[in-house]
Amino acid sequence: SQQGEEDPQALSIQEGENATMNCSYKTSINNLQWYRQNSGRGLVHLILIRSNEREKHSGRLRVTLDTSKKSSSLLITASRAADTASYFCATDTGRRALTFGSGTRLQVQP
Amino acid sequence: EAGVAQSPRYKIIEKRQSVAFWCNPISGHATLYWYQQILGQGPKLLIQFQNNGVVDDSQLPKDRFSAERLKGVDSTLKIQPAKLEDSAVYLCASRPDPGQGGNEQFFGPGTRLTVL
Repeated sequence: SQQGEEDPQALSIQEGENATMNCSYKTSINNLQWYRQNSGRGLVHLILIRSNEREKHSGRLRVTLDTSKKSSSLLITASRAADTASYFCATDTGRRALTFGSGTRLQVQP
Repeated sequence: EAGVAQSPRYKIIEKRQSVAFWCNPISGHATLYWYQQILGQGPKLLIQFQNNGVVDDSQLPKDRFSAERLKGVDSTLKIQPAKLEDSAVYLCASRPDPGQGGNEQFFGPGTRLTVL
């Protein structure tokens, strides 16, 4: 079963706007990771946040984690057309296998 | 460094036929995963190998799916016989040991299987 559920399922924004995607999960985790998948391609790792961290930044990406609410958010600032992709959260419970959510499909209009 | 290689990229078969997928992980990565990704969904773990041993195959439909990782490097995933609901993208991923790198997984481009 899917551990994480992303919200929204689909998001369409204009270039330059910010995009926020949310992820909820069910069990305790060691870390939570976000991946991007371009159409017809494999997944690419974006960022990892550990269970004892609350916020992490990487370039235009900002991830937050609230373990009390079992939720995470991914913010992409100043979006570009090239950011168009599906974004997945994935939880690592310590077993070294990831459990993925259902994904958010982001469309950035030029 | 070279990424995770998978072949074939696309495969179309009829139901009840057999099919096999191949994966070559990043050199030195001890852990290898096979995921199934149905259209519109996130990847679902099928099997996890540590070197040539199986760590987790609890979600592998063992009546029709099999996987092996001989010599702890390349891996093959086989479906026999295929069903319509097996239509999906099959993703292979690898990961270094904890002491040798981070916790991220590196994915191959996937094999898109269509069962008619």
